[in-house]
Amino acid sequence: AQSVAQPEDQVNVAEGNPLTVKCTYSVSGNPYLFWYVQYPNRGLQFLLKYITGDNLVKGSYGFEAEFNKSQTSFHLKKPSALVSDSALYFCAVRGPNNNAGNMLTFGGGTRLMVKP
Amino acid sequence: KAGVTQTPRYLIKTRGQQVTLSCSPISGHRSVSWYQQTPGQGLQFLFEYFSETQRNKGNFPGRFSGRQFSNSRSEMNVSTLELGDSALYLCASSPRSDRVAEAFFGQGTRLTVV
Repeated sequence: AQSVAQPEDQVNVAEGNPLTVKCTYSVSGNPYLFWYVQYPNRGLQFLLKYITGDNLVKGSYGFEAEFNKSQTSFHLKKPSALVSDSALYFCAVRGPNNNAGNMLTFGGGTRLMVKP
Repeated sequence: KAGVTQTPRYLIKTRGQQVTLSCSPISGHRSVSWYQQTPGQGLQFLFEYFSETQRNKGNFPGRFSGRQFSNSRSEMNVSTLELGDSALYLCASSPRSDRVAEAFFGQGTRLTVV
C-alpha cells in the first residue's frame, strides 16, 4: 500500500524568507507525485507534479519541488514567501499500477503561516 | 472554461437520513473522483468514475455509493447517515483516468449530520 507523510503540522516563516514544506512517500515502483494547496472554505488547487525527468519541478505561483528518489522525498519550496501563501498544503502520490486510475493518496497536510 | 461545480455547497441532515451530492466536471473531462475530508482522517479517496463505470473504490462502507451519467456529471449518495459522515466532500475531475493527469477539485460540499 502506498502512503505519504508530511512530518510538520505547521510551518512558520517570515515574509520574504525561503520556505520548505516536507513530504516523504512510500510506494512500490516509480511514484507519481503531486502538491495541492487549499485555502479556507475552498477546494484543492493543483500546484505541480512529478512524473519523470528532471528532479526539480516548477509549478504555479513560484513554487517548486525537488524529487529525491533515494530519500523518497518530494519537498515543496519557494525562494521568497508571501503572506498570501498562507494556506494548507497537501502532498499526494499515485502508485505505479495504471489500474489505480486517478486515485490519489494524500498526506495529512501542512499548514503554512507566513508572517509579515 | 468553467471549473468543477459541486452542489449544494452546504447541507445539514439528520442522522438516519440519506443525502445526494452532485458534481459537474470541467467540460471534456471524463473522470470524476470523490474524496472525503475530515479533521481526524484527512483526505480519503471514496471512488472514481470514468465513462459511467466505477474504476476504483476506497475503503468506505456500502452506504457510500455513486454514479456517473453520460454527460460525465456525477452524484454520490450516502444512506443512513451517521454523525461521523460530517465532512467536506470534494469532487475532482480529470480529462483521463491515468496516473499522469492532474485532478481539478471543486469547492466541496460541507455536510453536517446532526
